[in-house]
Amino acid sequence: GAGVSQSPSNKVTEKGKDVELRCDPISGHTALYWYRQRLGQGLEFLIYFQGNSAPDKSGLPSDRFSAERTGESVSTLTIQRTQQEDSAVYLCASSLVGPAFFGPGTRLTVL
Amino acid sequence: DQQVKQNSPSLSVQEGRISILNCDYTNSMFDYFLWYKKYPAEGPTFLISISSIKDKNEDGRFTVFLNKSAKHLSLHIVPSQPGDSAVYFCAASGLGDDKIIFGKGTRLHILP
Repeated sequence: GAGVSQSPSNKVTEKGKDVELRCDPISGHTALYWYRQRLGQGLEFLIYFQGNSAPDKSGLPSDRFSAERTGESVSTLTIQRTQQEDSAVYLCASSLVGPAFFGPGTRLTVL
Repeated sequence: DQQVKQNSPSLSVQEGRISILNCDYTNSMFDYFLWYKKYPAEGPTFLISISSIKDKNEDGRFTVFLNKSAKHLSLHIVPSQPGDSAVYFCAASGLGDDKIIFGKGTRLHILP
């Protein structure tokens, strides 16, 4: 497809379990972003990948959060030992030059 | 510390009138500004952008104004239509740091 895709679209997990969220950016886009939106809140920056540069991890809220990107392709966001406050919509975006284009998000619910 | 601020959480406008959404920023290194629109259960959609070398950019019913001295930008929608009801996010990025920072959003209600 032409847009950013994310999987799964919904994930329900139990507190303490690990989860992995996947993002497929638009082909050729060198930049990839992860954001999250908790209920009633704005878009919170998590991590940014740009080409082969070291990622900007300044937004990751704790060391339970990590992300990887394979070259200029797929990215996975991993949350270890999930907590209820991790419940949110996790949004991925990619860009080449100019605006970033978002995927539909993964809704994570931690019970 | 919020670098991009949208101080109005919500705004109601009559259909056909002008909607004005405001945004302030604190980081003088920002040189590229964007507006996104978000419907429930969807990802944000890019609307319009402006670089710091301009003070106005227009695309159809949408116009973005940038006042660099006041560190303020606004999005004008005219005429407002029912489908414009959504949450609007202001965003910015800067020289040497392409990371895009978003505001908290303003929910726009277009009234019939």
